[in-house]
Amino acid sequence: AQSVAQPEDQVNVAEGNPLTVKCTYSVSGNPYLFWYVQYPNRGLQFLLKYITGDNLVKGSYGFEAEFNKSQTSFHLKKPSALVSDSALYFCAVSFYSSASKIIFGSGTRLSIRP
Amino acid sequence: GAGVSQTPSNKVTEKGKYVELRCDPISGHTALYWYRQSLGQGPEFLIYFQGTGAADDSGLPNDRFFAVRPEGSVSTLKIQRTERGDSAVYLCASSPGLAPSSYNEQFFGPGTRLTVL
Repeated sequence: AQSVAQPEDQVNVAEGNPLTVKCTYSVSGNPYLFWYVQYPNRGLQFLLKYITGDNLVKGSYGFEAEFNKSQTSFHLKKPSALVSDSALYFCAVSFYSSASKIIFGSGTRLSIRP
Repeated sequence: GAGVSQTPSNKVTEKGKYVELRCDPISGHTALYWYRQSLGQGPEFLIYFQGTGAADDSGLPNDRFFAVRPEGSVSTLKIQRTERGDSAVYLCASSPGLAPSSYNEQFFGPGTRLTVL
């Protein structure tokens, strides 16, 4: 069965330090991978996606993610965290034959302390 | 420009009642999605429309749930005989609908928080 896992419920990072939010997936076939962010009282916002090509994907707000096929991972990273990055982050996966269905992880709450 | 809007923002109802939740997608977006998000969980897929037709309704939990999109724009999610377990935030998203839709980013509305007493 297709699934996506975010092993950490919460990640705490000091401002200015690098951050990583982990995501692993399980799909049959080639996955399409996404990261979305949810700020308080706001809708989910798209950050970045991997479809094909270069394994390192760059997205909004200085975030990037690396697709690792052998480890079935798509970790979200940022070289220098900002307090404003504090939010709930969701990894999601779909695949060509799914036509529409996107499976979301359970989310990781990122907290950046000043 | 205007994003995806959902009304009402909050809905409190009693067990057994009927509710309708509305979604206005971004103008010109042909693909529309409904999700349900329970506390501490990620969004759970319910149904996908391409134009007026439900292209995939495999996520609807049972026949109490139904959704329509009669003119290919606004969509309504309808829940009959509500149960306490239906309490959640219901999210709507739209996308341009370029094929294949599975790799298009989706634009989400703020959600409707449904509470069934």
